[in-house]
Amino acid sequence: ETGVTQTPRHLVMGMTNKKSLKCEQHLGHNAMYWYKQSAKKPLELMFVYSLEERVENNSVPSRFSPECPNSSHLFLHLHTLQPEDSALYLCASSQEPGGIQPQHFGDGTRLSIL
Amino acid sequence: GQNIDQPTEMTATEGAIVQINCTYQTSGFNGLFWYQQHAGEAPTFLSYNVLDGLEEKGRFSSFLSRSKGYSYLLLKELQMKDSASYLCAVMDSNYQLIWGAGTKLIIKP
Repeated sequence: ETGVTQTPRHLVMGMTNKKSLKCEQHLGHNAMYWYKQSAKKPLELMFVYSLEERVENNSVPSRFSPECPNSSHLFLHLHTLQPEDSALYLCASSQEPGGIQPQHFGDGTRLSIL
Repeated sequence: GQNIDQPTEMTATEGAIVQINCTYQTSGFNGLFWYQQHAGEAPTFLSYNVLDGLEEKGRFSSFLSRSKGYSYLLLKELQMKDSASYLCAVMDSNYQLIWGAGTKLIIKP
């Protein structure tokens, strides 16, 4: 039990589909993150939310759209994705954004774009 | 630019000791993290070093030399369950985490 739950675990979609990834944290943390993890590459930070407010957007294409309705839930809305977007998408949370407390990760959503 | 280097893959024998190195070049330094990630699972926090020296936590130890931009993770009495990827990450002066690509550790009987 990591305290951070992601659904679905696996997702296969066509380039014209629209889908959403969901993340929920049960740790009472104030910051939540979306990362992209591709094989043999460093984790790429996509978005950071602090108390439901987006504090960072690392030049992510607009086909990825985050939503944070409250401090426990985070969504990543996907539309018109490209094959190079196939990757593991990890959600994480921490007590505060940018603090030295470790981040707690979910198991990720393995996304495959056909 | 900012850069974290760690070996792509290492192999070790059950019961032995292995050292996974990490070198970094970042704009500022606010600590170095090690995470473990089993295949298909979440990365989990192992250690945090901000001062020079060795931090020991059971079978795992982490060392930091800020002057050399260098850290290592030492795993003793290796077990099969230690087969995983080990991620090094440095927090820079803006409190952003800069990640290495990870070291895949394979443990053989």
